[in-house]
Amino acid sequence: SQQGEEDPQALSIQEGENATMNCSYKTSINNLQWYRQNSGRGLVHLILIRSNEREKHSGRLRVTLDTSKKSSSLLITASRAADTASYFCATDATGTASKLTFGTGTRLQVTL
Amino acid sequence: EPEVTQTPSHQVTQMGQEVILRCVPISNHLYFYWYRQILGQKVEFLVSFYNNEISEKSEIFDDQFSVERPDGSNFTLKIRSTKLEDSAMYFCASSRRRSDLGEQYFGPGTRLTVT
Repeated sequence: SQQGEEDPQALSIQEGENATMNCSYKTSINNLQWYRQNSGRGLVHLILIRSNEREKHSGRLRVTLDTSKKSSSLLITASRAADTASYFCATDATGTASKLTFGTGTRLQVTL
Repeated sequence: EPEVTQTPSHQVTQMGQEVILRCVPISNHLYFYWYRQILGQKVEFLVSFYNNEISEKSEIFDDQFSVERPDGSNFTLKIRSTKLEDSAMYFCASSRRRSDLGEQYFGPGTRLTVT
């Protein structure tokens, strides 16, 4: 089984719409982090949510975490063409404390 | 805003050659990591490093790989004898606290191509 699976794998929306991406994981975690990656580029940290938190906001981003379902969602509101990128969740599993396990990613395309 | 930097941005090498990938973590960070991403695949953890020693390493990080912090600013990944399957984007990351407590910040990556 794989830790960190995002769905959908690809999402295409129009500018101004909201984009929701989901992440599921297998093990108990300390925290879950969302990253963004433009094609062929580095990973940009977006937001971290701890295992004892249920929801967190940062600008147009809203992240939820449901540890009972082992799932998280990332909502981008009022999307812009510049939001076009791949989005990854990454978990820090309990008992490790020194590594992140990444999901497969959601490719978001925002069109004008 | 402080950033993790990596050099070179692209390295082409022949199979069997040694390569050293370099990283300068954010200056007040204490934990350092290497990850890799084979084209079209997930980002995979390789190794974490704290207090001048390896904290954790993955199955990928075999005897061909080594890491070093040769001075107060650089963090390097060495691959002794590269294989075709080592072709990937290699990311360095650093964090101020352990990853269970804080964010990891990634560099822009080094694209390694082994021919």
